[in-house]
Amino acid sequence: DAGVTQSPTHLIKTRGQQVTLRCSPKSGHDTVSWYQQALGQGPQFIFQYYEEEERQRGNFPDRFSGHQFPNYSSELNVNALLLGDSALYLCASSFGAGYNEQFFGPGTRLTVL
Amino acid sequence: AQRVTQPEKLLSVFKGAPVELKCNYSYSGSPELFWYVQYSRQRLQLLLRHISRESIKGFTADLNKGETSFHLKKPFAQEEDSAMYYCALSGGTSYGKLTFGQGTILTVHP
Repeated sequence: DAGVTQSPTHLIKTRGQQVTLRCSPKSGHDTVSWYQQALGQGPQFIFQYYEEEERQRGNFPDRFSGHQFPNYSSELNVNALLLGDSALYLCASSFGAGYNEQFFGPGTRLTVL
Repeated sequence: AQRVTQPEKLLSVFKGAPVELKCNYSYSGSPELFWYVQYSRQRLQLLLRHISRESIKGFTADLNKGETSFHLKKPFAQEEDSAMYYCALSGGTSYGKLTFGQGTILTVHP
């Protein structure tokens, strides 16, 4: 089991563009959470998907949206990119939507120019 | 609102010395507290959670509800403990949502 995988590893976009990041959860997991980690900061919760629905959301604007597929993989979409969206985007998977341990992926480094 | 504060960005100790990484939280309820660790070039991983009351790699952490703290301790630091450590909180209707502190970089010198 490769654990949580994310693609791409790195991405460079310009302001105003749109981006899609992908995540495959660890085998046996059905819940995916997304976090944004700015340089020098701890990860910040964006949202969580369980049973193909957004179950919880952090303080992020509607430009951030997501999707979960029947195979539990997930996408994070960001529209109208701003310079401040430059960050490491982490995906974490777990079993169930409760307190179970979250396993993190390696992240996607997004740079907005 | 829930908040986690790690007052030290950097912490340096010598091998064999005791180490304590501080974590304070703000939450109106019964939180679940975690310590995550990120070693160089590795992904973020769970070190321990207060509910399991385990000692992992010699580290322990006690939840002090009176002082709203969850400090991470190890009596004898090892060089391989050098890493970034994050304290995180989850609770109430926000279960599954982790609120992280800013992290502490621990360096253990030989």
